[in-house]
Amino acid sequence: DIQMTQSPSSLSASVGDRVTITCRASQGISNYLAWFQQKPGKAPKSLIYAASSLQSGVPSRFSGSGSGTDFTLTISSLQPEDFATYYCQQYNYYPFTFGPGTKVDIK
Amino acid sequence: EVQLVESGGGLVQPGGSLRLSCAASGFTFSDHYMDWVRQAPGKGLEWVGRIRNKANSYTTEYAASVKGRFTISRDESKNSLYLQMNSLKTEDTAVYYCARGRRGAADFDYWGQGTLVTVSS
Repeated sequence: DIQMTQSPSSLSASVGDRVTITCRASQGISNYLAWFQQKPGKAPKSLIYAASSLQSGVPSRFSGSGSGTDFTLTISSLQPEDFATYYCQQYNYYPFTFGPGTKVDIK
Repeated sequence: EVQLVESGGGLVQPGGSLRLSCAASGFTFSDHYMDWVRQAPGKGLEWVGRIRNKANSYTTEYAASVKGRFTISRDESKNSLYLQMNSLKTEDTAVYYCARGRRGAADFDYWGQGTLVTVSS
């Protein structure tokens, strides 16, 4: 199975900060990488697919990049509604696998 | 508006069975792959399995942890997705989400709100 790792596991940031989360796959997955946002007690929300494409309705302050094994999610200017846990997921190989998550909370 | 509504969760004893449903609306159900993803209390996300659409013969894929115990099916006439769970274990305790595959692609674009399954004696 493809192992997904994320760093950091958690971070504290202020409104307006630029935030970057990294995700690494244990082997190359081309650009078959998605990012999800999850708030406590809520279902995940799809943010990005194909490593860098925004899902419909997702604000442009979110961006993704990378290919192969190394990927990043960037929030250009953190907003109050962005405090949440973020997961990456590879969908190049079955079984699909998720990273362990990065919790973004208020500094 | 795309909507996915799960139901059927509850408390079940180890070794028991449960069937989850996911009612889909707001889109052409038959065009999309559908997936189940679960989340144990306080833990991360775990993919459970996928069922492809009619054009791809409704074929399925499963995580090793559920293969042989869980079965994914769909009923196009009811716009519904199902997860039949047999031989349940305590480690199957989780919130179960259905998710829609983006049309023509493998990733997910919409998720349901989830249903809680608790396996305990």
